[in-house]
Amino acid sequence: SQKIEQNSEALNIQEGKTATLTCNYTNYSPAYLQWYRQDPGRGPVFLLLIRENEKEKRKERLKVTFDTTLKQSLFHITASQPADSATYLCAPENAGNNRKLIWGLGTSLAVNP
Amino acid sequence: ETGVTQSPTHLIKTRGQQVTLRCSSQSGHNTVSWYQQALGQGPQFIFQYYREEENGRGNFPPRFSGLQFPNYSSELNVNALELDDSALYLCASSLGGSGSYTFGSGTRLTVV
Repeated sequence: SQKIEQNSEALNIQEGKTATLTCNYTNYSPAYLQWYRQDPGRGPVFLLLIRENEKEKRKERLKVTFDTTLKQSLFHITASQPADSATYLCAPENAGNNRKLIWGLGTSLAVNP
Repeated sequence: ETGVTQSPTHLIKTRGQQVTLRCSSQSGHNTVSWYQQALGQGPQFIFQYYREEENGRGNFPPRFSGLQFPNYSSELNVNALELDDSALYLCASSLGGSGSYTFGSGTRLTVV
């Protein structure tokens, strides 16, 4: 069955460092992969979408890579800030009108001042 | 441009009762998806509506049903509530077959 694995342990880093979150998927050939941020009790907020023919995508302090051979995406936050503390979810997705996101459990990130 | 609005924000129901959750999609979006998120878990796909038709369904029993209206707003109905239905229910809207999703803040349902 399709499976998505994200860093199982919470990530604690010091302010100013780069946070790297991992998303591995199996039995899946996604056309896109999306990353979202979720704060407690709130809905996920879209951050970045990367397509299968893109190796890397950037947005301000965020960078996502997508390696379809390794079946892995890495999500980087550079110059991290305490406000970046949240749970980060990855969601690979097939193409087409019948869209269905399958989510990982998320990685909890804590950025310490 | 408004985002996705869900109502109510919190709800407490008794086992066996029925509940209706509502979602107003983002302006310009024609697709609505519903997700169930238990504490500490990722969202689980319930179903999706595209132009008022169900367009995909996850592994949820038939007592979970939905509707999409001509203005693309949507309802999620759950019959015969069970304790395990307690969760955050998320609605997400999107435009057709690609691109990002805009989520509402969710409805926290507690079944006692």
